Amino acid sequence: KAGVTQTPRYLIKTRGQQVTLSCSPISGHRSVSWYQQTPGQGLQFLFEYFSETQRNKGNFPGRFSGRQFSNSRSEMNVSTLELGDSALYLCASSPLPGTSGRDEQFFGPGTRLTVL
Amino acid sequence: QKEVEQNSGPLSVPEGAIASLNCTYSDRGSQSFFWYRQYSGKSPELIMSIYSNGDKEDGRFTAQLNKASQYVSLLIRDSQPSDSATYLCAVLSGSARQLTFGSGTQLTVLP
Repeated sequence: KAGVTQTPRYLIKTRGQQVTLSCSPISGHRSVSWYQQTPGQGLQFLFEYFSETQRNKGNFPGRFSGRQFSNSRSEMNVSTLELGDSALYLCASSPLPGTSGRDEQFFGPGTRLTVL
Repeated sequence: QKEVEQNSGPLSVPEGAIASLNCTYSDRGSQSFFWYRQYSGKSPELIMSIYSNGDKEDGRFTAQLNKASQYVSLLIRDSQPSDSATYLCAVLSGSARQLTFGSGTQLTVLP
């Protein structure tokens, strides 16, 4: 079974621009979560989507947004980029609650965003 | 604020030794606990999940959970140089599927 895929793998943007990152979960998984990883703050939760609905959101400004499509694929958007947004953005997918391996989240390879 | 604390390391062990990684968490209502391995420049890889008190073994890895003490550990037996990585403890709290991560422990296995 194919793993989580993320595109693009690398991005370079300048301050003030916006960016959209894409994530395709493991086939059959319907929950998608997004995380930001930086050397200073570590891994931090951004938001989680299930059945096209945002179920939970981390402590990030409104410039960070996301959505999920009916095929479970997800996108996240960051508007008005700041230097501090440079990070590895990770998407993780989970199977349905109650299925085997409950609660386990599997990460994609990430998108490395550099803001200049 | 829910917190997950790990022994900061770095931790070095000789090849063939047992590596012991520890983690404590603050949210007493947490139900699901995970260990991820992250190689430099790569994304986290799930290596163990544990939900009940006690030990769970998978190959050379053993996870231990003590909810009363709010403590999770990972033992790696017969450590190999390929085990050299950062190990992240993660806790899933409440009904939200939000993982809270520790800062990670960098493990180096010396040949």
